[in-house]
Amino acid sequence: GDSVTQMEGPVTLSEEAFLTINCTYTATGYPSLFWYVQYPGEGLQLLLKATKADDKGSNKGFEATYRKETTSFHLEKGSVQVSDSAVYFCALSLAGGTSYGKLTFGQGTILTVHP
Amino acid sequence: GAGVSQSPSNKVTEKGKDVELRCDPISGHTALYWYRQSLGQGLEFLIYFQGNSAPDKSGLPSDRFSAERTGGSVSTLTIQRTQQEDSAVYLCASSPTSNSPLHFGNGTRLTVT
Repeated sequence: GDSVTQMEGPVTLSEEAFLTINCTYTATGYPSLFWYVQYPGEGLQLLLKATKADDKGSNKGFEATYRKETTSFHLEKGSVQVSDSAVYFCALSLAGGTSYGKLTFGQGTILTVHP
Repeated sequence: GAGVSQSPSNKVTEKGKDVELRCDPISGHTALYWYRQSLGQGLEFLIYFQGNSAPDKSGLPSDRFSAERTGGSVSTLTIQRTQQEDSAVYLCASSPTSNSPLHFGNGTRLTVT
């Protein structure tokens, strides 16, 4: 079945450091890929997405590129802030049809950024 | 505007009791999803409603779990004869169409003692 494997956490960084959170996937079809973020005390929210190979999703300084050849969707940010401290989830869904929101999530990566 | 609202925010129940969890989606959103977030299993899809179509129940873990969506709006997730392994945060999400990103509620934390 479909699955998502995320870099184990937790990840602790100093402010302005470079961030990478690795994500790889296994899918029977041609999935759409997502990063969701859960800030402390808040609900999950979409951070960015990509729906086809070589697409780059970006938002709030975060980027991830859909790499079909390596089945990866790694999350990167050049300079993290304390406010980026949150749990990050990589997810996939089958593109189109009625399955767009039927997501398979990775285990989540806790990011803590210190001043 | 108002987001997805879930109630109660916390629920403690005794093993064997039934519980109902409520979700008010964003007005006008036709798609509604339930997920479960637990320490052992991570985030798991449970059930999906789209308009008047039959729901996709493929993620429900057992026949003790059921959900309904009345009038295409509010949804209730019911767990009968709760077990300790049902303890988790139950998340509801809605989206304008089946091809739109999800908007999640803050969840209901269920503890079965």
